[in-house]
This record gives sequence, C-alpha cells and structure tokens, in this order.
Amino acid sequence: GQNIDQPTEMTATEGAIVQINCTYQTSGFNGLFWYQQHAGEAPTFLSYNVLDGLEEKGRFSSFLSRSKGYSYLLLKELQMKDSASYLCAVTGAAGNKLTFGGGTRVLVKP
Amino acid sequence: DVKVTQSSRYLVKRTGEKVFLECVQDMDHENMFWYRQDPGLGLRLIYFSYDVKMKEKGDIPEGYSVSREKKERFSLILESASTNQTSMYLCASSPGQDFGYTFGSGTRLTVV
Repeated sequence: GQNIDQPTEMTATEGAIVQINCTYQTSGFNGLFWYQQHAGEAPTFLSYNVLDGLEEKGRFSSFLSRSKGYSYLLLKELQMKDSASYLCAVTGAAGNKLTFGGGTRVLVKP
Repeated sequence: DVKVTQSSRYLVKRTGEKVFLECVQDMDHENMFWYRQDPGLGLRLIYFSYDVKMKEKGDIPEGYSVSREKKERFSLILESASTNQTSMYLCASSPGQDFGYTFGSGTRLTVV
C-alpha cells in the first residue's frame, strides 16, 4: 500500500519562501508529482521527480530523495495568487495510477 | 488545448437514485480515472481504466461502477445514491506512466 503525509496547512507572507514537505511509504515507487489546486478548481500539474535531486522551474522547485522517502516543494517570492492547496502524489512501480496525500493548504498574507 | 470535460459542474440527487457522471477527453489518452475529493481525506481513487471496455477497482469502489465503451468516454455510475456519496468527483486522463494527469473541472454532487 501507499501512505503519504504532508502538513495540513501553512501560512506565509507575500514575498517570502515556503517549503512544503511530503513523506511517503510505498510498496513500489516510480515517481512523485506535485499539483496545485485553487479552491473550487481542478488540480494542475506543477512538477514531476523521478531521480534524486532538485528540479527548478521558475519560482517553484521540487526535491526528491528516494532513499529517504521524502520530497519537498519550494515556493519562492510568494504571491497572493499562490494561495492554494498543494497535492503530493506518488506513482507505483506498476501502472501509472497516482496515490495522493491529503494536500497542504497554503495561505499567503499581505 | 487539451481537455477533460465533465458533463455537470453541480448535481443534486435524491437518495436511492441512479446517478451517471460523464467524463470525456479529447487527447486520445489510454488511461482514465475517477477520484472523489473530501475535506481532510484528499483524493481517493474509485475506479480506473487502461483501455476500452477495461476497468479496475481503486481504493474505494463500493457503491460505484464504471463504463468505458469508447476510448474518449469514462462514466461513473452510482447504482443507488446515498448521502455519504456527497462529494466532489474528479475525472482525469493520462497518456501513460511518467506523464501525470489532466483533470476535469469536477462535479460537486449532493445527495439529499
């Protein structure tokens, strides 16, 4: 089975940096996705990590350590529009169905 | 622009009704999925399909069934709706492993 943990909620100030951690325990692992979901909307793809290390994409970066079962999403230069839920999801060794964590709600304050 | 379209944004149904939630994708994706999303529980997989006429149970299939008669369409069926099936239902499709999902905009179903 899959078990994925991430904090429920985080608050940060506009212009600051926030790091959202995700730990996972899986019977098989292929890769880890991060999605962003604004209230009332569908999740949208942010990043995908298969190999260990940091992937940078503009203001957002994602890190993976396969040996530790750990990932983080780093949001830099926070903007008000970054207020959303961030979903960590893992794909197993067989097939591409995703198992999601509970999501982290990030609130950006002025 | 690639799209996954869910037929209804909001639905209100009565307990015991048979409910159909429709999902259509225009990307020729092999894989399609149905999830429900509830506060504090995240997204939970109900059913998925890797090919036409093929279906597999996800983590919470009880009370649901699915149909995939054509590649582009994946329907979720609530055989006899109950109040505990009040939820946001999300459909998604994917071309394969390592590609992630494209989600539909969701159907918020209320069973009264």
